[in-house]
Amino acid sequence: KAGVTQTPRYLIKTRGQQVTLSCSPISGHRSVSWYQQTPGQGLQFLFEYFSETQRNKGNFPGRFSGRQFSNSRSEMNVSTLELGDSALYLCASSSTLSSGANVLTFGAGSRLTVL
Amino acid sequence: TQLLEQSPQFLSIQEGENLTVYCNSSSVFSSLQWYRQEPGEGPVLLVTVVTGGEVKKLKRLTFQFGDARKDSSLHITAAQPGDTGLYLCAGGSNYKLTFGKGTLLTVNP
Repeated sequence: KAGVTQTPRYLIKTRGQQVTLSCSPISGHRSVSWYQQTPGQGLQFLFEYFSETQRNKGNFPGRFSGRQFSNSRSEMNVSTLELGDSALYLCASSSTLSSGANVLTFGAGSRLTVL
Repeated sequence: TQLLEQSPQFLSIQEGENLTVYCNSSSVFSSLQWYRQEPGEGPVLLVTVVTGGEVKKLKRLTFQFGDARKDSSLHITAAQPGDTGLYLCAGGSNYKLTFGKGTLLTVNP
């Protein structure tokens, strides 16, 4: 079955602009998470959605927002871009093991460069 | 705040050598996972451990979860160039994973 699809793969923006990233999860997965990956901080949790509801949110400013649609596709938006927002943004959809542990399947990411 | 510390941060070895990567935390996690990430790609799950003291083997990779569920290790036997990548541990709780910063492994032929 198809994996997690993220678009666009690469994009360049300038400071002050906004950006919207899209994620299509694995068919049947209802949970979608977003992570920011930078060389200095590693992978940091942004937010998680399940059935269009945000269940958890990381420690990021309000400029970072997301949403999930009824078909489980998700988007995240970053407004008023700053240089420090340059990063690889990873989306993951998850399934739950019988043990209760969540298993994430990541997309290839969207590489954002802010100039 | 739950934190996961991985060591070493960088590791460069020759093909055929053995290595161990460590993942430590002061917090208890309900599960711990190991991922491998290659350049330009997202992380790929290697294993999930949920029981304290659990040991899982995946070909030449051996994963261990500490008895107190606060730490884990990944041991690779007879490393090969194809093992090169960023190895990440992640602890699960409350609908999110907390990741360590990773160990960048390079296996030279």
